[in-house]
Amino acid sequence: GAVVSQHPSWVICKSGTSVKIECRSLDFQATTMFWYRQFPKQSLMLMATSNEGSKATYEQGVEKDKFLINHASLTLSTLTVTSAHPEDSSFYICSARRGGTTDTQYFGPGTRLTVL
Amino acid sequence: ILNVEQSPQSLHVQEGDSTNFTCSFPSSNFYALHWYRWETAKSPEALFVMTLNGDEKKKGRISATLNTKEGYSYLYIKGSQPEDSATYLCAPNTGKLIFGQGTTLQVKP
Repeated sequence: GAVVSQHPSWVICKSGTSVKIECRSLDFQATTMFWYRQFPKQSLMLMATSNEGSKATYEQGVEKDKFLINHASLTLSTLTVTSAHPEDSSFYICSARRGGTTDTQYFGPGTRLTVL
Repeated sequence: ILNVEQSPQSLHVQEGDSTNFTCSFPSSNFYALHWYRWETAKSPEALFVMTLNGDEKKKGRISATLNTKEGYSYLYIKGSQPEDSATYLCAPNTGKLIFGQGTTLQVKP
């Protein structure tokens, strides 16, 4: 159990376009979902935390108007990179947690975004 | 911001060797410490959640200890197998996970 899927696994887009990434918890209900980003040779960095039906909480330095997060149900969260630019090219990965703060976060396989 | 360091950055061992690596953190002001195994092209897999000083957890040939007083956690793999090849990540949980850069293990047959 505790499987998280992420779609697409990779995407290439032109500068100025928007890209939506989906994160789904397949066999459990996730009270909280998280979005991370990883640049080459760096660690996973939390971008934002979202609870179902609430506005996402963004980490310092993450533009909320650029990275739109929607957590419409207990099994689905989406991240939309709006007006993407080459510097947004990165590896984006989501996780889902069903319980409280110390509960395990279950991760999706990630999405590689390349903006040309 | 908690600075989490993992060492070594990479490690090459022969099949059958036992190995260990370190996660160190300057402050133990967190709720729990998480360990993950991340194989290429797959999702990070949760290994352990450790909450107490002196905690020891075991899963098959892999075990981990936590020393919050001295600011480190060790991960041990006994009798490494090629399928253990992966990047091992630790992350103190301060209310959010703060990841180290990971230790990449390569086990040669």
